[in-house]
Amino acid sequence: DAKTTQPTSMDCAEGRAANLPCNHSTISGNEYVYWYRQIHSQGPQYIIHGLKNNETNEMASLIITEDRKSSTLILPHATLRDTAVYYCIANFIQGAQKLVFGQGTRLTINP
Amino acid sequence: DGGITQSPKYLFRKEGQNVTLSCEQNLNHDAMYWYRQDPGQGLRLIYYSQIVNDFQKGDIAEGYSVSREKKESFPLTVTSAQKNPTAFYLCASSMGLAGPYEQYFGPGTRLTVT
Repeated sequence: DAKTTQPTSMDCAEGRAANLPCNHSTISGNEYVYWYRQIHSQGPQYIIHGLKNNETNEMASLIITEDRKSSTLILPHATLRDTAVYYCIANFIQGAQKLVFGQGTRLTINP
Repeated sequence: DGGITQSPKYLFRKEGQNVTLSCEQNLNHDAMYWYRQDPGQGLRLIYYSQIVNDFQKGDIAEGYSVSREKKESFPLTVTSAQKNPTAFYLCASSMGLAGPYEQYFGPGTRLTVT
């Protein structure tokens, strides 16, 4: 699986858009980009995934660069409940979905 | 409500004892997984199972064992051979292995061995 690189921590004001970057420069053609988040002492929660095109769901948007070497997760109107550790994962679609979690980005939403 | 349950939430054991962590899902998912998380770290895969009566080692399987006798259940046994068993254990499931399926996680069991 491709290694991903994320900033250790970020801050964002409540109500603003939170933009979380992820670098996956060694990603291969059949690896999807997944985003999960983990609120303290809970199990991770799936947010979104994508392959090439930008994706949007009720929680967030995922913007993947044309060369697929990086992506950005966007939380359009951050709330205090979005404070969590956000994990960016590159994962093969064939075989076992063995997710490799790095240390993620600790996002703090400030009132 | 559909979901994954793990019990208990907190578990305390003495060193040298085996302990079994429960994981049950009613999502009708084929694949199930066990992860371990240490403080300030990401998750690491212990074991995973694609179907009943089949399971595969993950990255850190030593000192652990699993069984998959029913689709809904995937218990994890932490044996006395596991050198550092104190950790947060998370169970997950997904529809299968071959697609870009998301994994659904349980609430976790925090195991403390003294």
